[in-house]
Amino acid sequence: GQQVMQIPQYQHVQEGEDFTTYCNSSTTLSNIQWYKQRPGGHPVFLIQLVKSGEVKKQKRLTFQFGEAKKNSSLHITATQTTDVGTYFCAGTTSGTYKYIFGTGTRLKVLA
Amino acid sequence: DTEVTQTPKHLVMGMTNKKSLKCEQHMGHRAMYWYKQKAKKPPELMFVYSYEKLSINESVPSRFSPECPNSSLLNLHLHALQPEDSALYLCASSLSTGYGYTFGSGTRLTVV
Repeated sequence: GQQVMQIPQYQHVQEGEDFTTYCNSSTTLSNIQWYKQRPGGHPVFLIQLVKSGEVKKQKRLTFQFGEAKKNSSLHITATQTTDVGTYFCAGTTSGTYKYIFGTGTRLKVLA
Repeated sequence: DTEVTQTPKHLVMGMTNKKSLKCEQHMGHRAMYWYKQKAKKPPELMFVYSYEKLSINESVPSRFSPECPNSSLLNLHLHALQPEDSALYLCASSLSTGYGYTFGSGTRLTVV
């Protein structure tokens, strides 16, 4: 079945450093979504990418969808303590709207 | 109203009990979902409702029974659960299938 892996599993950074999480799917995706889940909270939708090679920015966050639509990345510039949480990608394949969540990357930001 | 409301927030139930989880949204979303999340794991899809019809059931055991009474409400009926069913149960909705989800804050379920 479809599998979505994320690396790294954990990342500790000093405040102000950059952070990147990578999402890799075993199958070609029709689109991918990104979510953030704060400790003790629920996932919050960040963005959806649909086109091959697409790049979208939200303030300090940059999202990319790979050319082959099998991978994606989220890059945060100059992390802040408010960025703490687990970042999940969620992908779906053509013909179904079943989103499979990636394994997640837990980010800790040290002040 | 831009949120999904789940009740109760916490639930402790015995293995012989019957209980229900409730989920409500008033955003006009036509797709609603149940996810299960264990600690430090990603959410796992259980059920998808699209326009009030069950469109995906991820081979969930029959002790979990979903119900969508109308376009704003989603229930999850629980019966004869096992301790390993203890988890955070998340409800979500989206404009339609294929759009980003709005999640509720979840029901933390403990089966004793």
